[in-house]
Amino acid sequence: GAGVSQSPSNKVTEKGKDVELRCDPISGHTALYWYRQRLGQGLEFLIYFQGNSAPDKSGLPSDRFSAERTGESVSTLTIQRTQQEDSAVYLCASSLASRYEQYFGPGTRLTVT
Amino acid sequence: GENVEQHPSTLSVQEGDSAVIKCTYSDSASNYFPWYKQELGKRPQLIIDIRSNVGEKKDQRIAVTLNKTAKHFSLHITETQPEDSAVYFCAAREDSSYKLIFGSGTRLLVRP
Repeated sequence: GAGVSQSPSNKVTEKGKDVELRCDPISGHTALYWYRQRLGQGLEFLIYFQGNSAPDKSGLPSDRFSAERTGESVSTLTIQRTQQEDSAVYLCASSLASRYEQYFGPGTRLTVT
Repeated sequence: GENVEQHPSTLSVQEGDSAVIKCTYSDSASNYFPWYKQELGKRPQLIIDIRSNVGEKKDQRIAVTLNKTAKHFSLHITETQPEDSAVYFCAAREDSSYKLIFGSGTRLLVRP
């Protein structure tokens, strides 16, 4: 079946602008995760959703970052007033439930100029 | 919280040789340890995982070992092939929060 999809695949924005990144999880997956991957580095946890609630948002770097999820479907990660240090690949993953294997989307490469 | 360290950062082996990547973790409550392979510009893909009630798991040329006492786990790739070239990430999951904490990655190059 279809895997995790993300859009856009690439986003270039000017410093100070807001951006929205979208994730469509695998159908039926109740758990959804956002990670950030800076160039040449590992994945950094941002936020976890179980259904449409976020029991763990401990990885969000600042209050400029927020995320929401509609039911057990699409999630949107919003970054307000983007800064150059926000440049990274933002990866979304989903799993059948919170204790199951996580499957990743292709990511959105965000470049803040 | 959990901290995962991964070594080496780069590894170059001759085709047909074995490759070993090692990770250590800090939180004894972690109980799930997956390994992901990420080819250039592509998504991380789960290649093997192990849970804390198992010491070793094998899948064809790939194996993972876990030492809970020492809090370390390793990925072993035998008979390496050029298509094994990629960045490999280990991770550990905290039992309470379900989030994955990743190591910094190992860039594996298999020379033909």
